[in-house]
Amino acid sequence: DTEVTQTPKHLVMGMTNKKSLKCEQHMGHRAMYWYKQKAKKPPELMFVYSYEKLSINESVPSRFSPECPNSSLLNLHLHALQPEDSALYLCASSQLGADTQYFGPGTRLTVL
Amino acid sequence: GENVEQHPSTLSVQEGDSAVIKCTYSDSASNYFPWYKQELGKRPQLIIDIRSNVGEKKDQRIAVTLNKTAKHFSLHITETQPEDSAVYFCAARFTDKLIFGTGTRLQVFP
Repeated sequence: DTEVTQTPKHLVMGMTNKKSLKCEQHMGHRAMYWYKQKAKKPPELMFVYSYEKLSINESVPSRFSPECPNSSLLNLHLHALQPEDSALYLCASSQLGADTQYFGPGTRLTVL
Repeated sequence: GENVEQHPSTLSVQEGDSAVIKCTYSDSASNYFPWYKQELGKRPQLIIDIRSNVGEKKDQRIAVTLNKTAKHFSLHITETQPEDSAVYFCAARFTDKLIFGTGTRLQVFP
């Protein structure tokens, strides 16, 4: 299996809702990433997990809470989001210490 | 700081022509440079990459060149086809993360 999967594909939520995005990979990668991508912009790094431990937090607001339950799964918990948080959220994975990152299809998030 | 500049922002070519996209990076310690293609509504897909110990790499119609002294690298697509139309992002590795360029929208007209 050489693919990163993400669920859901689309998510619409209100500013008071709590929701979670899920990412899964079965390539044996030990590094996993969350990116945010706005329209016509490049992916912007949010978090990096290495060996299931948070190694990089790019000063992301606390309304985004990442979690890595095991080496194959990565979650992003969302709470009290703002309309400007609407974006495509991409998950990626790579071999630890290697460079090549493989992206999932993304979750298109709309905050009303 | 960490920065990758990418030019041009848009590029229109006739089918069969070549396309060149250029990127410059700020950190001379960067040693890995991937290129991603992103079609509308799809995920970024790695199309080619190059490491700092190599000056050029080819894969069929796609090639990447790297000039470490000048800190720039380029993507070359030959014999372009309509299906090459997409947004292309260059990136450079800074320590444990990739920094992306701002993207080039390539349109190939039949």
